[in-house]
Amino acid sequence: AQSVTQLDSQVPVFEEAPVELRCNYSSSVSVYLFWYVQYPNQGLQLLLKYLSGSTLVKGINGFEAEFNKSQTSFHLRKPSVHISDTAEYFCAVRTYSGGGADGLTFGKGTHLIIQP
Amino acid sequence: KAGVTQTPRYLIKTRGQQVTLSCSPISGHRSVSWYQQTPGQGLQFLFEYFSETQRNKGNFPGRFSGRQFSNSRSEMNVSTLELGDSALYLCASSLRTGVTYEQYFGPGTRLTVT
Repeated sequence: AQSVTQLDSQVPVFEEAPVELRCNYSSSVSVYLFWYVQYPNQGLQLLLKYLSGSTLVKGINGFEAEFNKSQTSFHLRKPSVHISDTAEYFCAVRTYSGGGADGLTFGKGTHLIIQP
Repeated sequence: KAGVTQTPRYLIKTRGQQVTLSCSPISGHRSVSWYQQTPGQGLQFLFEYFSETQRNKGNFPGRFSGRQFSNSRSEMNVSTLELGDSALYLCASSLRTGVTYEQYFGPGTRLTVT
């Protein structure tokens, strides 16, 4: 079975400062990695994904993440945050087993708080 | 193109009752997945339907069931509600099943069990 650990439940950052949200996973099979964002009272929106190829992936809203297989990590970064980035961020993995793709396995989430 | 629609958005039920939640996927999408979100357990996968067939199921008791219709709309049913079933239930649709197909999430149905 796979699992996802988001090391920080809450990250306060000043506006225009850089931020890194940490994510580690464990799995005995190949994984496909995702970052989602959830704004209050809304569903999830995909920020970026790693399926294969280049380990540095770029997503929407200026976010990027790097897949590190040896450290089983997929940390999310943004060089300069804005007030509008205040939200809950979820790291997730999917694997293949049996007859097809498993559902997404999510981390507990990191609440990004942008301070003016 | 309209997004994923979930109805109702809010629901209050009493312990022991049953409830049915509805999800209309994005037009053309044939896969629908359901997730439960609670403060304690976080986001957990319930099940996925593709072409009216359940493709995968998470680790939930049999009280949780679902189905998908020929127009790809999906319903989720919870019988004999318990207080712990209070949660935000999210539906996600994708063109087809498989990791390469992006899942688009609806706004969710917030279920409160009293």
